[in-house]
Amino acid sequence: EPEVTQTPSHQVTQMGQEVILRCVPISNHLYFYWYRQILGQKVEFLVSFYNNEISEKSEIFDDQFSVERPDGSNFTLKIRSTKLEDSAMYFCASKLAVTYEQYFGPGTRLTVT
Amino acid sequence: GESVGLHLPTLSVQEGDNSIINCAYSNSASDYFIWYKQESGKGPQFIIDIRSNMDKRQGQRVTVLLNKTVKHLSLQIAATQPGDSAVYFCAEADRGSTLGRLYFGRGTQLTVWP
Repeated sequence: EPEVTQTPSHQVTQMGQEVILRCVPISNHLYFYWYRQILGQKVEFLVSFYNNEISEKSEIFDDQFSVERPDGSNFTLKIRSTKLEDSAMYFCASKLAVTYEQYFGPGTRLTVT
Repeated sequence: GESVGLHLPTLSVQEGDNSIINCAYSNSASDYFIWYKQESGKGPQFIIDIRSNMDKRQGQRVTVLLNKTVKHLSLQIAATQPGDSAVYFCAEADRGSTLGRLYFGRGTQLTVWP
Protein backbone atom coordinates (compact mmCIF):
# COMPACT_ATOMS: atom_id res chain seq x y z
CA GLU A 1 0.00 0.00 0.00
CA PRO A 2 1.41 3.44 -0.92
CA GLU A 3 2.65 5.52 2.00
CA VAL A 4 3.86 9.02 2.71
CA THR A 5 7.50 8.90 3.72
CA GLN A 6 9.53 11.47 5.61
CA THR A 7 13.23 12.02 6.24
CA PRO A 8 14.99 12.28 8.55
CA SER A 9 13.10 10.58 11.34
CA HIS A 10 14.92 12.73 13.89
CA GLN A 11 16.77 16.00 13.39
CA VAL A 12 18.73 17.79 16.08
CA THR A 13 19.81 21.33 15.35
CA GLN A 14 21.08 24.37 17.16
CA MET A 15 19.00 27.48 17.60
CA GLY A 16 19.38 29.82 14.65
CA GLN A 17 20.28 27.10 12.18
CA GLU A 18 18.33 26.29 9.05
CA VAL A 19 16.64 22.91 8.68
CA ILE A 20 14.93 21.23 5.76
CA LEU A 21 12.44 18.48 6.41
CA ARG A 22 11.69 16.20 3.50
CA CYS A 23 8.59 14.34 2.47
CA VAL A 24 7.66 12.09 -0.40
CA PRO A 25 3.86 12.18 -0.77
CA ILE A 26 1.87 9.35 -2.30
CA SER A 27 2.60 9.46 -6.00
CA ASN A 28 -0.81 10.27 -7.46
CA HIS A 29 -1.77 12.77 -4.78
CA LEU A 30 -2.03 16.42 -5.70
CA TYR A 31 -2.57 18.19 -2.38
CA PHE A 32 0.14 18.43 0.22
CA TYR A 33 0.24 19.56 3.82
CA TRP A 34 2.53 20.13 6.76
CA TYR A 35 1.33 19.81 10.35
CA ARG A 36 3.23 19.87 13.58
CA GLN A 37 2.67 18.39 17.01
CA ILE A 38 4.41 19.76 20.06
CA LEU A 39 4.95 17.01 22.62
CA GLY A 40 1.73 16.19 24.43
CA GLN A 41 -0.36 18.62 22.42
CA LYS A 42 -2.70 18.37 19.48
CA VAL A 43 -1.70 18.25 15.85
CA GLU A 44 -1.66 21.76 14.34
CA PHE A 45 -2.00 22.77 10.71
CA LEU A 46 0.88 24.70 9.19
CA VAL A 47 0.34 24.94 5.45
CA SER A 48 -1.39 23.43 2.44
CA PHE A 49 0.05 23.35 -1.06
CA TYR A 50 -1.38 22.70 -4.50
CA ASN A 51 -0.22 23.33 -8.04
CA ASN A 52 3.11 24.71 -6.80
CA GLU A 53 1.47 27.33 -4.64
CA ILE A 54 0.59 27.73 -1.01
CA SER A 55 -3.17 27.45 -0.72
CA GLU A 56 -3.60 28.20 2.96
CA LYS A 57 -1.32 28.79 5.93
CA SER A 58 -1.81 29.17 9.64
CA GLU A 59 -0.54 31.88 11.92
CA ILE A 60 2.29 29.55 12.92
CA PHE A 61 3.63 29.56 9.37
CA ASP A 62 5.49 32.88 9.49
CA ASP A 63 8.33 34.24 7.36
CA GLN A 64 10.76 31.74 8.87
CA PHE A 65 8.90 28.88 7.16
CA SER A 66 8.79 28.01 3.51
CA VAL A 67 7.68 25.04 1.44
CA GLU A 68 8.78 23.78 -1.90
CA ARG A 69 8.12 20.99 -4.33
CA PRO A 70 11.53 20.91 -6.01
CA ASP A 71 10.74 17.98 -8.28
CA GLY A 72 7.89 15.61 -9.06
CA SER A 73 8.21 13.60 -5.89
CA ASN A 74 9.56 15.61 -2.96
CA PHE A 75 7.83 18.18 -0.79
CA THR A 76 9.99 20.09 1.67
CA LEU A 77 9.52 22.32 4.69
CA LYS A 78 12.32 24.76 5.47
CA ILE A 79 12.74 26.63 8.71
CA ARG A 80 15.30 29.38 8.13
CA SER A 81 16.36 30.20 11.66
CA THR A 82 15.13 27.67 14.16
CA LYS A 83 13.91 28.63 17.62
CA LEU A 84 13.59 26.48 20.70
CA GLU A 85 9.81 26.54 20.34
CA ASP A 86 10.07 24.95 16.89
CA SER A 87 10.88 21.66 18.61
CA ALA A 88 8.05 19.34 17.64
CA MET A 89 7.03 16.42 15.45
CA TYR A 90 6.44 17.59 11.91
CA PHE A 91 4.02 15.58 9.82
CA CYS A 92 3.61 15.70 6.09
CA ALA A 93 0.29 14.66 4.59
CA SER A 94 -1.14 14.29 1.12
CA LYS A 95 -4.45 13.58 -0.49
CA LEU A 96 -6.23 13.00 -3.75
CA ALA A 97 -8.09 15.87 -5.28
CA VAL A 98 -11.61 14.59 -4.72
CA THR A 99 -11.45 13.35 -1.16
CA TYR A 100 -11.02 14.92 2.24
CA GLU A 101 -8.97 12.05 3.61
CA GLN A 102 -5.39 13.04 4.24
CA TYR A 103 -2.68 10.43 4.56
CA PHE A 104 0.04 11.20 7.05
CA GLY A 105 3.69 10.30 7.08
CA PRO A 106 5.48 8.95 10.17
CA GLY A 107 6.83 12.38 11.07
CA THR A 108 10.19 14.02 11.69
CA ARG A 109 11.06 14.80 15.26
CA LEU A 110 12.84 18.17 15.31
CA THR A 111 14.81 19.03 18.42
CA VAL A 112 16.22 22.54 18.66
CA THR A 113 18.89 23.00 21.32
CA GLY B 1 -14.57 28.91 16.16
CA GLU B 2 -12.05 26.29 15.18
CA SER B 3 -11.80 24.35 18.38
CA VAL B 4 -12.20 20.63 18.46
CA GLY B 5 -11.78 19.10 21.86
CA LEU B 6 -12.20 15.81 23.64
CA HIS B 7 -14.13 15.19 26.82
CA LEU B 8 -11.71 12.69 28.35
CA PRO B 9 -7.95 12.61 28.02
CA THR B 10 -7.61 8.90 28.96
CA LEU B 11 -9.75 5.80 28.66
CA SER B 12 -8.91 2.34 30.00
CA VAL B 13 -10.93 -0.70 28.95
CA GLN B 14 -10.59 -4.43 29.23
CA GLU B 15 -9.93 -6.50 26.17
CA GLY B 16 -13.21 -7.52 24.56
CA ASP B 17 -15.18 -4.60 25.93
CA ASN B 18 -16.56 -1.85 23.75
CA SER B 19 -14.89 1.58 23.81
CA ILE B 20 -16.50 4.94 23.27
CA ILE B 21 -14.35 7.99 22.64
CA ASN B 22 -16.03 11.37 22.54
CA CYS B 23 -15.29 14.63 20.82
CA ALA B 24 -16.90 18.07 20.89
CA TYR B 25 -16.57 20.65 18.17
CA SER B 26 -17.66 24.25 17.95
CA ASN B 27 -17.40 25.20 14.28
CA SER B 28 -20.85 25.05 12.70
CA ALA B 29 -19.24 25.33 9.27
CA SER B 30 -17.50 21.99 9.69
CA ASP B 31 -18.85 19.54 7.17
CA TYR B 32 -16.42 16.67 7.43
CA PHE B 33 -15.05 14.79 10.42
CA ILE B 34 -12.34 12.17 10.72
CA TRP B 35 -11.09 9.92 13.43
CA TYR B 36 -7.37 9.23 13.45
CA LYS B 37 -5.40 6.73 15.50
CA GLN B 38 -1.85 7.57 16.49
CA GLU B 39 0.44 4.92 17.86
CA SER B 40 3.60 5.89 19.69
CA GLY B 41 6.21 7.29 17.31
CA LYS B 42 3.95 7.17 14.27
CA GLY B 43 1.84 9.57 12.29
CA PRO B 44 -1.94 9.77 12.51
CA GLN B 45 -3.63 6.86 10.78
CA PHE B 46 -7.08 7.24 9.25
CA ILE B 47 -9.79 5.17 10.91
CA ILE B 48 -13.14 6.40 9.69
CA ASP B 49 -14.79 9.59 8.48
CA ILE B 50 -18.27 11.04 8.27
CA ARG B 51 -19.84 13.93 6.42
CA SER B 52 -22.16 16.37 8.09
CA ASN B 53 -25.15 15.10 6.13
CA MET B 54 -24.88 11.77 7.95
CA ASP B 55 -25.58 10.73 11.55
CA LYS B 56 -23.81 7.41 11.61
CA ARG B 57 -21.22 5.51 9.68
CA GLN B 58 -19.91 2.03 10.31
CA GLY B 59 -16.63 0.42 9.46
CA GLN B 60 -14.93 -2.73 10.55
CA ARG B 61 -15.40 -2.84 14.36
CA VAL B 62 -15.75 0.95 14.42
CA THR B 63 -18.75 3.24 14.29
CA VAL B 64 -18.78 7.02 14.20
CA LEU B 65 -21.82 8.93 15.41
CA LEU B 66 -22.41 12.59 14.66
CA ASN B 67 -24.86 14.74 16.58
CA LYS B 68 -24.95 18.12 14.89
CA THR B 69 -27.49 19.51 17.32
CA VAL B 70 -25.03 19.40 20.20
CA LYS B 71 -21.89 19.39 18.02
CA HIS B 72 -20.74 16.04 19.31
CA LEU B 73 -18.86 13.24 17.63
CA SER B 74 -18.09 9.81 19.01
CA LEU B 75 -16.06 6.80 17.99
CA GLN B 76 -17.20 3.39 19.10
CA ILE B 77 -14.81 0.46 18.94
CA ALA B 78 -16.37 -2.95 19.30
CA ALA B 79 -14.55 -5.82 21.04
CA THR B 80 -11.54 -3.67 21.83
CA GLN B 81 -8.20 -5.39 21.37
CA PRO B 82 -4.73 -4.64 22.80
CA GLY B 83 -3.70 -3.44 19.35
CA ASP B 84 -6.28 -0.69 19.65
CA SER B 85 -4.21 0.97 22.37
CA ALA B 86 -3.23 4.37 20.98
CA VAL B 87 -4.15 8.05 21.06
CA TYR B 88 -7.32 8.80 19.15
CA PHE B 89 -7.91 12.22 17.60
CA CYS B 90 -10.98 13.64 16.04
CA ALA B 91 -10.41 16.20 13.32
CA GLU B 92 -12.73 18.45 11.37
CA ALA B 93 -12.59 20.29 8.09
CA ASP B 94 -14.87 23.16 7.22
CA ARG B 95 -16.34 23.94 3.84
CA GLY B 96 -14.56 27.29 3.85
CA SER B 97 -11.14 25.71 3.65
CA THR B 98 -10.02 25.36 0.06
CA LEU B 99 -7.95 22.23 0.53
CA GLY B 100 -9.71 20.79 3.56
CA ARG B 101 -7.41 22.02 6.28
CA LEU B 102 -7.91 19.79 9.32
CA TYR B 103 -8.39 20.99 12.88
CA PHE B 104 -7.46 18.38 15.45
CA GLY B 105 -8.62 17.83 19.00
CA ARG B 106 -6.18 17.08 21.81
CA GLY B 107 -6.59 13.32 21.72
CA THR B 108 -7.71 10.54 24.02
CA GLN B 109 -5.26 7.91 25.17
CA LEU B 110 -6.97 4.51 24.95
CA THR B 111 -5.37 1.73 26.97
CA VAL B 112 -6.63 -1.81 26.57
CA TRP B 113 -5.91 -4.25 29.38
CA PRO B 114 -5.72 -8.00 28.72
